[in-house]
Amino acid sequence: EAGVVQSPRYKIIEKKQPVAFWCNPISGHNTLYWYRQNLGQGPELLIRYENEEAVDDSQLPKDRFSAERLKGVDSTLKIQPAELGDSAVYLCASSLARGETQYFGPGTRLLVL
Amino acid sequence: SQQGEEDPQALSIQEGENATMNCSYKTSINNLQWYRQNSGRGLVHLILIRSNEREKHSGRLRVTLDTSKKSSSLLITASRAADTASYFCARSGETSGSRLTFGEGTQLTVNP
Repeated sequence: EAGVVQSPRYKIIEKKQPVAFWCNPISGHNTLYWYRQNLGQGPELLIRYENEEAVDDSQLPKDRFSAERLKGVDSTLKIQPAELGDSAVYLCASSLARGETQYFGPGTRLLVL
Repeated sequence: SQQGEEDPQALSIQEGENATMNCSYKTSINNLQWYRQNSGRGLVHLILIRSNEREKHSGRLRVTLDTSKKSSSLLITASRAADTASYFCARSGETSGSRLTFGEGTQLTVNP
């Protein structure tokens, strides 16, 4: 069974530029999560989807971050414009349902210069 | 913000020794999960222990949960160099739905 797929794996951009990350969850997993992990820290949840509905986005900085999961499968997380402090690893995870084990992708490492 | 603490922050042991990592938390939980993260990689799920469970085993891993003390521990027995990684506990709270709150992790180094 394929795991959670994320792309790109690495991204270097200049501040004020836009950037987008893509995630394809494990087949059949209804719940999808986006986390941000700063260096030396544990991941912090940005947004959780149940199918195509964003049900927990309280931690998402809505002035510059947006996310979508239009068909309830893959998802895109966007930052526009990026700031220096956005440099981090962005992790996508999925689970069969709410409260079940979360399986993580390899992450996208973002560096904003 | 992240709640709870993990200790130690870093642990260095020799191959064959046991490694114990601890996790404390502040609010009631539905379950607590342990993850491993190798450098530059995603997180790998190790064990989930529910609030009504006290101990779970998986291979060389043993997790305990003491809800009265709001703490959990992960024991890795007969460690190997390949166990070198960061280990995180993640709490799923009673009031937070399925949101996982991660600690800052313990960096384990197993020296050959």
